[in-house]
Order: sequence, then C-alpha cells, then structure tokens
Amino acid sequence: DSGVTQTPKHLITATGQRVTLRCSPRSGDLSVYWYQQSLDQGLQFLIQYYNGEERAKGNILERFSAQQFPDLHSELNLSSLELGDSALYFCASKGSGYEQFFGPGTRLTVL
Amino acid sequence: AQSVTQPDIHITVSEGASLELRCNYSYGATPYLFWYVQSPGQGLQLLLKYFSGDTLVQGIKGFEAEFKRSQSSFNLRKPSVHWSDAAEYFCAVGPNNAGNMLTFGGGTRLMVKP
Repeated sequence: DSGVTQTPKHLITATGQRVTLRCSPRSGDLSVYWYQQSLDQGLQFLIQYYNGEERAKGNILERFSAQQFPDLHSELNLSSLELGDSALYFCASKGSGYEQFFGPGTRLTVL
Repeated sequence: AQSVTQPDIHITVSEGASLELRCNYSYGATPYLFWYVQSPGQGLQLLLKYFSGDTLVQGIKGFEAEFKRSQSSFNLRKPSVHWSDAAEYFCAVGPNNAGNMLTFGGGTRLMVKP
C-alpha cells in the first residue's frame, strides 16, 4: 500500500459526459501528479500540482483540468468525454525525495 | 526531451531462471532512474531508484539494477525469478528540476513458466 488513495476504482460513462476523479496523496506530500495509461499511448504525464498550485503540464487535453485543494487532495476533471479517453488514470504523490508513489488508479470506460 | 526505450515488449522465463529487463534512456544530464512494477489490476509499485553514487542499486523483492552511463542503460536484473514476479515492468526517467515528472518506457510484460 503506497498510502495514495484514488476514487472511484472504476467509472463507466457515456460519450459527452463529464467525470471527476479524486486523489488523496500520502500524508505530508505536497506534490500530486496525474498520469494516463492507455494501450496506444502508454503511461503519459498529464499535470502536476504542488501545494495547491499548478507546477507542470504534460500532454493534457484542453477538455481536462485539475486542481489541488487546501487539504492537498486533488481532482482531475474530464469533460466532453470521447471513446479515446478510456484509460487508467493514476495519481502519484511525492514528498521531499525524488520518487513518486502511485495510487491504485481509476479505470475509466467511455461507452 | 528525455525518452525511455524498453526494447522487449514481452519476455518469458522459467521459474528459477535469471532475468534481465533492458532499459535505455535519452537524457541530457545525469538522470534520475526508476523501475516500477505493475501487477494485473494494480497500481505502480516502486522497485528501485538511482540518483547518484554506486551504479548498482538494490531494490525490493530481490531486484537490482545497474546504471551504465556509457550505454545510457539501466537494466533490471533478478538472479532467480518466482512465479509471483509475473507482471509488467516500467522503466522511468525523471528530470532534475522542480517538476520532476516521470517519462516512462513502454513496459515489458514478464511471463513466468512453471
């Protein structure tokens, strides 16, 4: 158990809908990272937050957004969903070291 | 931009045999290197990491990896594979800056024959 929690574990929705994925980092970790894992793209970095502020952006679509709240949990919002957004979405947290600790992921299926 | 290549998509080894998973990276400076393992339906678990110092690093579950700067490689090894090692293995590189996002290789799926 990494100490990072993600909810929900599974999410099934329809095209055009909007969903919110939630992540709670390890206790004391200020950095939260979001990654997408898909069969065709592999594991890709989406976005990073540090202590409530956006720190870095990767291959994140404009339809996707994220935020980190004062209690340090983070949410990834995916809107106008397309079939191709079906993937496993991971959250990771990092403390003062360089290693990232991953949550169990949220499997999103868009029908 | 950094990149990671794992040349072997699938590897099958017999239980008890030795294992080596290859990882090559492209990065302009001294990289931070990681190996993660993903069991079916699970998240990514950190096996080991290299930041600096001794180029042979030990990890959990009996794994080790060797950093070879001249070959831009960070291969993962295990002397004797157990059936429970069947999983997907990812090599990753992280930049040396405040962002520290990870760039992952495509992964190697390990199957273990009894």
